[in-house]
Amino acid sequence: GPKVLQIPSHQIIDMGQMVTLNCDPVSNHLYFYWYKQILGQQMEFLVNFYNGKVMEKSKLFKDQFSVERPDGSYFTLKIQPTALEDSAVYFCASSPDRGQDTQYFGPGTRLLVL
Amino acid sequence: QQKVQQSPESLTVSEGAMASLNCTFSDGTSNNFRWYRQHSAKGLEVLVSIFSDGEKEEGRFTAHLNRANLHVSLHIREPQPSDSAVYLCAVRSNYNVLYFGSGTKLTVEP
Repeated sequence: GPKVLQIPSHQIIDMGQMVTLNCDPVSNHLYFYWYKQILGQQMEFLVNFYNGKVMEKSKLFKDQFSVERPDGSYFTLKIQPTALEDSAVYFCASSPDRGQDTQYFGPGTRLLVL
Repeated sequence: QQKVQQSPESLTVSEGAMASLNCTFSDGTSNNFRWYRQHSAKGLEVLVSIFSDGEKEEGRFTAHLNRANLHVSLHIREPQPSDSAVYLCAVRSNYNVLYFGSGTKLTVEP
């Protein structure tokens, strides 16, 4: 089936540094999403993105977070500066459109903030 | 905000025996309910997506939705050891945001 790729698979950084998580969505998909899963907890919605804009975001999407997809390349989640509580697995997803479409998920990026 | 809860937390079944997983949600106005499977170090694999009350079958996976009871279940027919994974229930909001349960860890023993 359609595949979403995420780079890197693991990232370890020091608190206060900037980190960029990259997502290569399914080609011709138009909607993109980030979800966060802290170890042992539920996966939670962060943000979705369409046509160059954030459409919805949750309260987890702090001011230190930003997303973009410059020139149709990777869909990125940037955290600047990082905090200890940002340690989690971040999952990217994409869907063809917003309506009833299934979201296809990547394997996740495991972020550890020290 | 939609609250999604799954039970049991973990389930062990023998190969070939039916496996049944449960999911309850707090807001019945959603129009889409999904079951995903999560193998470690892999992305989520969608199993069944159901829109209306009743049953939806996809291969060996059957979802049963009862919106009045705020309940959706997943039944796995003839499970194999390769079906061992974490199964996630997800409820879609009007804005295509998915609210996930905490998962059921299924182990299928040979």
